[in-house]
Amino acid sequence: SQTIHQWPATLVQPVGSPLSLECTVEGTSNPNLYWYRQAAGRGLQLLFYSVGIGQISSEVPQNLSASRPQDRQFILSSKKLLLSDSGFYLCAWSSGGLSNQPQHFGDGTRLSIL
Amino acid sequence: AQSVTQLDSQVPVFEEAPVELRCNYSSSVSVYLFWYVQYPNQGLQLLLKYLSGSTLVKGINGFEAEFNKSQTSFHLRKPSVHISDTAEYFCAVSAPKGAQKLVFGQGTRLTINP
Repeated sequence: SQTIHQWPATLVQPVGSPLSLECTVEGTSNPNLYWYRQAAGRGLQLLFYSVGIGQISSEVPQNLSASRPQDRQFILSSKKLLLSDSGFYLCAWSSGGLSNQPQHFGDGTRLSIL
Repeated sequence: AQSVTQLDSQVPVFEEAPVELRCNYSSSVSVYLFWYVQYPNQGLQLLLKYLSGSTLVKGINGFEAEFNKSQTSFHLRKPSVHISDTAEYFCAVSAPKGAQKLVFGQGTRLTINP
């Protein structure tokens, strides 16, 4: 069966520090991969998605970037964190090439910026 | 572009009572519709989805939803709720073409009181 792993589960970082959140998927190949942010009391906002290695689409301009160095690995990064980057970050995957397939979510990373 | 409106941010219900969580969407094209549930400090779990066919769809944990094209709605229902149904519920839509990009509503917090 397919599984998705996100780490770390929680992270406290000072303003201006770098960030790297990692997501890996097991049990499937060539998935679509997604990064979402969930701010407190708000819905989910799609940040990035990827349909293949090295292919990244950004949905909103911001202080973050994403990379997909391997088929089942998706990384969210920042060079300098801002206070507004605080939130709950969720990684998700869906079957590649099929837009009617549901997305499957990881357990998230709660990021607090001090 | 698509948008989703969840009409109630919070819904308190007594245990064993019925519940309906409302979802309306806006789109210039046909869409796929999803309901997800999020338990505290966890990722999202798929409850059910509507792709085509019968407008009444059944999901996990006794939930069901009805697609109403004329009213552009996809309300979630359960005839008798349990304490364990306490969670946040998200309605989402995606366009049928291209990489699946979910657009989420703001969420409805369902609280079950004994």
